[in-house]
Amino acid sequence: GNSVTQMEGPVTLSEEAFLTINCTYTATGYPSLFWYVQYPGEGLQLLLKATKADDKGSNKGFEATYRKETTSFHLEKGSVQVSDSAVYFCALMNARQLTFGSGTQLTVLP
Amino acid sequence: DADVTQTPRNRITKTGKRIMLECSQTKGHDRMYWYRQDPGLGLRLIYYSFDVKDINKGEISDGYSVSRQAQAKFSLSLESAIPNQTALYFCATSDWGGTGTTDTQYFGPGTRLTVL
Repeated sequence: GNSVTQMEGPVTLSEEAFLTINCTYTATGYPSLFWYVQYPGEGLQLLLKATKADDKGSNKGFEATYRKETTSFHLEKGSVQVSDSAVYFCALMNARQLTFGSGTQLTVLP
Repeated sequence: DADVTQTPRNRITKTGKRIMLECSQTKGHDRMYWYRQDPGLGLRLIYYSFDVKDINKGEISDGYSVSRQAQAKFSLSLESAIPNQTALYFCATSDWGGTGTTDTQYFGPGTRLTVL
């Protein structure tokens, strides 16, 4: 079956620090991979996606590369801001369904 | 105006009561979904619908039912609520672009349901 494993949180960083949130997956076939972000009190918003191996998704300074050989899709940002504080979810799309990781809470301190 | 709306935003009810959560969308998408979110478990799919006449069970459909009243409306019902159905419920929509494309799902703001 399909599954997504995310780095457990919570993660606390100082402003301008480098961010990595690890994500690995198990799936049959060739899934598409996503990162969603959930700000406090809101629904999930698509942050970035990648649809095939070696694709890099990017948005708002965040990046993730689809690595088939390591079945990973790690999220990175070079310099986080206080406004990046949120919960981040890794997800895969396979057989018409999205499977989510458990989420990683990020807090950025000024 | 929000593209995906959910009502109510918060609801407290008692064990055994029937509850309906409603979702409406103005994005013109054919596909709609219901998820529940529990702390530490991410989101899990309850039901999904690819058009008005197509309803499918997701990972955790037991204890829930749905109705797709129109392309824009998708309701989730709990026929007899129980405390372990206390969770945050999200509706989502997507539009399939054709063979070889990937759905992107757009989420509503969520409904916080508490069953006492």
